[in-house]
Amino acid sequence: NAGVTQTPKFRVLKTGQSMTLLCAQDMNHEYMYWYRQDPGMGLRLIHYSVGEGTTAKGEVPDGYNVSRLKKQNFLLGLESAAPSQTSVYFCASSLSGGYTFGSGTRLTIV
Amino acid sequence: SQQGEEDPQALSIQEGENATMNCSYKTSINNLQWYRQNSGRGLVHLILIRSNEREKHSGRLRVTLDTSKKSSSLLITASRAADTASYFCAENSGGYQKVTFGTGTKLQVIP
Repeated sequence: NAGVTQTPKFRVLKTGQSMTLLCAQDMNHEYMYWYRQDPGMGLRLIHYSVGEGTTAKGEVPDGYNVSRLKKQNFLLGLESAAPSQTSVYFCASSLSGGYTFGSGTRLTIV
Repeated sequence: SQQGEEDPQALSIQEGENATMNCSYKTSINNLQWYRQNSGRGLVHLILIRSNEREKHSGRLRVTLDTSKKSSSLLITASRAADTASYFCAENSGGYQKVTFGTGTKLQVIP
């Protein structure tokens, strides 16, 4: 019963580098989301997807791109990392009602 | 930002006491959800209350919703040390993508 799996769990990037965060769910959920969590800010929605092949912008999409080529996977990309993107990133999925979250990726941009 | 607010920001109680957390939100909602986050972990869904419901129970959890005041409360009865975590409310205001999280209440239960 894996639920939502995020990889990697930790990563340190240099400013300007790129990387992709992977989210995989095995619950056949239609909806998937990427949030970032910063101290005192709660969770803020970056991008979301309402089904395979679809993506949409959330509250704080700038500097990020996403893809959902397969229903079970939702990828979050940083093309040119900036220190302001230092955060904990959470992926979530849902079918109806409550979300199922992954355990997070702690990303530090130096 | 349409982010809701939890009150208090932090709460410290003795084991066995009840803990009450409040959430205020700003928009009309379809439902309101509560989540728990243990330190360094992801959020766990606790309970969902729909806009036409006023109260809901799940084990030691009791959630109330007052749509006229745009507020909700989470009551944890007979608290345990394992309840130590941050608790977030999340308002769903228009489809599954429209969930906005509050800033959370940090609960410490002292054994």
